Amino acid sequence: DTGVSQNPRHKITKRGQNVTFRCDPISEHNRLYWYRQTLGQGPEFLTYFQNEAQLEKSRLLSDRFSAERPKGSFSTLEIQRTEQGDSAMYLCATRTDMSADTQYFGPGTRLTVL
Amino acid sequence: QKEVEQNSGPLSVPEGAIASLNCTYSDRGSQSFFWYRQYSGKSPELIMSIYSNGDKEDGRFTAQLNKASQYVSLLIRDSQPSDSATYLCAPRGAQKLVFGQGTRLTINP
Repeated sequence: DTGVSQNPRHKITKRGQNVTFRCDPISEHNRLYWYRQTLGQGPEFLTYFQNEAQLEKSRLLSDRFSAERPKGSFSTLEIQRTEQGDSAMYLCATRTDMSADTQYFGPGTRLTVL
Repeated sequence: QKEVEQNSGPLSVPEGAIASLNCTYSDRGSQSFFWYRQYSGKSPELIMSIYSNGDKEDGRFTAQLNKASQYVSLLIRDSQPSDSATYLCAPRGAQKLVFGQGTRLTINP
């Protein structure tokens, strides 16, 4: 257990529904990252926050995806109008501000879109 | 060309033998690397980081970085069944991690 928590751990939804995932970081970690991982691939970067500011978004992040970190603590990732191609493991990772510091991953949320 | 490339495997190694995992990268500016281990259905966990050319040893694990040839490797000595997992390498940068697809390693008892 790294101290990063994610909820829910599993989510099954029907195509077209909206889903929201939550990540709670290690308390002193002000950088927070979202990754997506599909079977047989390494995690792919989606977006990251430094405190409450969203500093980078991947081209993978379509308009249906939105992420927030309103008070610089927990973060949410919402997917609107889910598609079967959104089925994946969504991973949150956090780290401190120190240059190139280690990222610690949460357990992930596995999304299945039927 | 992908930024980080790994042989997806599976790599099968008998118990007690040395497992050798390799990773090549395209960005000559990459100075150091992370190796993460990921068990099936779990999230990645950091096992090694290497900052400079040469070898770094930690227990049964040795990471090797060759900047001239742009590859980084991970050796696992005295392989155990518990080492069966997917191993991911990623350049240690200031921002996001860019992972290779990972190499699936199976240790056979």
